[in-house]
Amino acid sequence: GAVVSQHPSWVICKSGTSVKIECRSLDFQATTMFWYRQFPKQSLMLMATSNEGSKATYEQGVEKDKFLINHASLTLSTLTVTSAHPEDSSFYICSARGTSGSRTDTQYFGPGTRLTVL
Amino acid sequence: TQLLEQSPQFLSIQEGENLTVYCNSSSVFSSLQWYRQEPGEGPVLLVTVVTGGEVKKLKRLTFQFGDARKDSSLHITAAQPGDTGLYLCAGYDYKLSFGAGTTVTVRA
Repeated sequence: GAVVSQHPSWVICKSGTSVKIECRSLDFQATTMFWYRQFPKQSLMLMATSNEGSKATYEQGVEKDKFLINHASLTLSTLTVTSAHPEDSSFYICSARGTSGSRTDTQYFGPGTRLTVL
Repeated sequence: TQLLEQSPQFLSIQEGENLTVYCNSSSVFSSLQWYRQEPGEGPVLLVTVVTGGEVKKLKRLTFQFGDARKDSSLHITAAQPGDTGLYLCAGYDYKLSFGAGTTVTVRA
């Protein structure tokens, strides 16, 4: 089946620093990638949708200048949390949707990245 | 605002018992998906239901999609400790909207 990887799997950083999280589709080309955030005991909340080669679309309430998303290729999207603060500590999960031919409602999820900001 | 409501929020049962998780919405979705997520991992797709009234079985798991395509249920027969996890439903309408999840604990 389709595989999505994330790197790093966990990261601890100091307040005020920036952190980059990578999401890769390993065996398929992903025209669209999604970034979610999940707080403990809560569900996944969509942060933004990115299409390869174009600007990401952010959900209401998500600061685009704080959560920078780049989807430069069909297999890689990155999420950069700029000037991270403790309240940004969360579990960040990406998912990827394949190119035309696959079901549009099928997304393959990565294993997540645990971010802890001290 | 959560478009999908799941109930119950928590469920703890003994091994061998049956359980049902419900997912309800006021919106119609073109499809509905069920995921299971374990701590520290991403969600894993269990099933996608598309047609109103559809029933799908996956070993001891039975999924139903309501006739109006607004609600769904997940029934587990003879639950095992390996069924423990967070069960999430997600409705698709150009993007996935997740329910709040049901934490299932199956005690040995």
